[in-house]
Amino acid sequence: RKEVEQDPGPFNVPEGATVAFNCTYSNSASQSFFWYRQDCRKEPKLLMSVYSSGNEDGRFTAQLNRASQYISLLIRDSKLSDSATYLCVVNLFSGNTPLVFGKGTRLSVIA
Amino acid sequence: DAGVIQSPRHEVTEMGQEVTLRCKPISGHNSLFWYRQTMMRGLELLIYFNNNVPIDDSGMPEDRFSAKMPNASFSTLKIQPSEPRDSAVYFCASSSIGQVVYQETQYFGPGTRLLVL
Repeated sequence: RKEVEQDPGPFNVPEGATVAFNCTYSNSASQSFFWYRQDCRKEPKLLMSVYSSGNEDGRFTAQLNRASQYISLLIRDSKLSDSATYLCVVNLFSGNTPLVFGKGTRLSVIA
Repeated sequence: DAGVIQSPRHEVTEMGQEVTLRCKPISGHNSLFWYRQTMMRGLELLIYFNNNVPIDDSGMPEDRFSAKMPNASFSTLKIQPSEPRDSAVYFCASSSIGQVVYQETQYFGPGTRLLVL
């Protein structure tokens, strides 16, 4: 079983739509969770951290379910500029330790 | 502020040649990570350093790969000899211990696109 699993997509949605991605992780001892965004031929960049209580940043909402070991990302009112690959990321430990990346979910927002 | 700097940005070489990738982390960051990304396997950790000391190199594919961090501002990843299956994008990332120790952000460089013919 892979450590972090995501639906690769692609998700093709019209502008203004709401889209949700889920991700599951295998290690129940995982300490911290993130969503990174990666544009085509660019480096991954942190989109948002994911907290147990859930958190929101503008049109983006992230949630964590530790019992079921899944993480979600909700994007409301999709923009063309949201088109990218969204990487679910888990840190198995605290501190400066390596991140474990999912392979990503590709989103295309269409005009 | 300058982000993570990697060079070269692109490298095309022939099988059997030595390849050296370079990384300059963000000033003040004390952890450095080398990742490799391919379509098939996604992003994989190769090795990481804390305070210039290699902590975990279990992701290094084989003895052909080696990495060094002689000081806080420079690291190299060397492949010798290179093989076509090494073709990938190699990313360097850096981070620093923050007040909330489990929420450090890793900042990635632009990557080196390596093609081994």
